[in-house]
Amino acid sequence: GENVEQHPSTLSVQEGDSAVIKCTYSDSASNYFPWYKQELGKRPQLIIDIRSNVGEKKDQRIAVTLNKTAKHFSLHITETQPEDSAVYFCAVWNFNKFYFGSGTKLNVKP
Amino acid sequence: NAGVTQTPKFQVLKTGQSMTLQCAQDMNHEYMSWYRQDPGMGLRLIHYSVGAGITDQGEVPNGYNVSRSTTEDFPLRLLSAAPSQTSVYFCATGSPKNGYTFGSGTRLTVV
Repeated sequence: GENVEQHPSTLSVQEGDSAVIKCTYSDSASNYFPWYKQELGKRPQLIIDIRSNVGEKKDQRIAVTLNKTAKHFSLHITETQPEDSAVYFCAVWNFNKFYFGSGTKLNVKP
Repeated sequence: NAGVTQTPKFQVLKTGQSMTLQCAQDMNHEYMSWYRQDPGMGLRLIHYSVGAGITDQGEVPNGYNVSRSTTEDFPLRLLSAAPSQTSVYFCATGSPKNGYTFGSGTRLTVV
């Protein structure tokens, strides 16, 4: 199966700063890489995703980059706001299964 | 259009009891799946289904059964609950093309 590692496990930034979360995976056949945001007590919500034929994707303050050769992808949040505080999970789609990272707790200090 | 509906939202079981967690979707997706979420361990796949009549095991299938008789429903059965099954359970449906949607979750406590 796939092995997904996510770093860091916690991240604290000042409001307005940027935040970067990185995930690595092991199987080069994996081809879909979404990121989820989970607020306390709520369900994971898809915030951005990227497919293996694309290197970068942006959606307003959020971007995801993918390096297939190195087998890693990263979530970039610019101009962070207190409402960005949550747990973020990366995921990797591999042969009908999603494998999730262990999560990053992002704290944006006002 | 409710998306993904999970019931119940909360449940307390005694060790050895059985129960079924319900998941229903009205998005007409072929793929459905069950995850459990434990503190510090992210989401782990229990079972999944690529269509009616087809199910397969995920990372942590032991102690759980599933069936998929219709496209809409994908129930998860605990045959003999154990304290180690205390967790939050999420059902999800979708595809890499359309993205995945999670249900609101079931918080299960086994005492």
